[in-house]
Amino acid sequence: GESVGLHLPTLSVQEGDNSIINCAYSNSASDYFIWYKQESGKGPQFIIDIRSNMDKRQGQRVTVLLNKTVKHLSLQIAATQPGDSAVYFCAENLNNYGGSQGNLIFGKGTKLSVKP
Amino acid sequence: KAGVTQTPRYLIKTRGQQVTLSCSPISGHRSVSWYQQTPGQGLQFLFEYFSETQRNKGNFPGRFSGRQFSNSRSEMNVSTLELGDSALYLCASSLPGGYGYTFGSGTRLTVV
Repeated sequence: GESVGLHLPTLSVQEGDNSIINCAYSNSASDYFIWYKQESGKGPQFIIDIRSNMDKRQGQRVTVLLNKTVKHLSLQIAATQPGDSAVYFCAENLNNYGGSQGNLIFGKGTKLSVKP
Repeated sequence: KAGVTQTPRYLIKTRGQQVTLSCSPISGHRSVSWYQQTPGQGLQFLFEYFSETQRNKGNFPGRFSGRQFSNSRSEMNVSTLELGDSALYLCASSLPGGYGYTFGSGTRLTVV
């Protein structure tokens, strides 16, 4: 079926290390992807997005990589900090270029725990 | 710049009752989408509104409905509440094309 799944449900890293969170998607028609961070009691917070015509996009301490050949998305967080501890979701959007599909399909989430 | 505002933040209802949740999008965002988040099912799309019209709908029963007003504010309604409707209901607004997709803090609904 059409779904987004995460490879690792939990990830524990040491403060200062780099973190990599992975995501698999199954719909080749998806053309827009977003990573969200969700802290306890809050709504998902936008981290970074990428369109399907790109392979890589960088933000502040974060990088998203898109491999369309194997339908894989990853989020890299450099120099992970305790404040990065949260659940991270990837989401895909279908036919975004076609004009406004409003629904995102979310993965189940990965819990990132940063040890001081 | 104000974010997406959802009210109320918490709600407790009894089975069989109905509930209305409210969402005010970011100024200039005309698309509003609703999601249900539960530990078991994760984030699931309910419906999307654009210019007062429902443009997209997820796989939820007819007890779940929504509407959008001319100022882009949106409400969702759940009738005949069931215990399984207990969840965090999230609203998101975006620019045309889905860009800038921003979530509110959600309404935590508990059905007893």
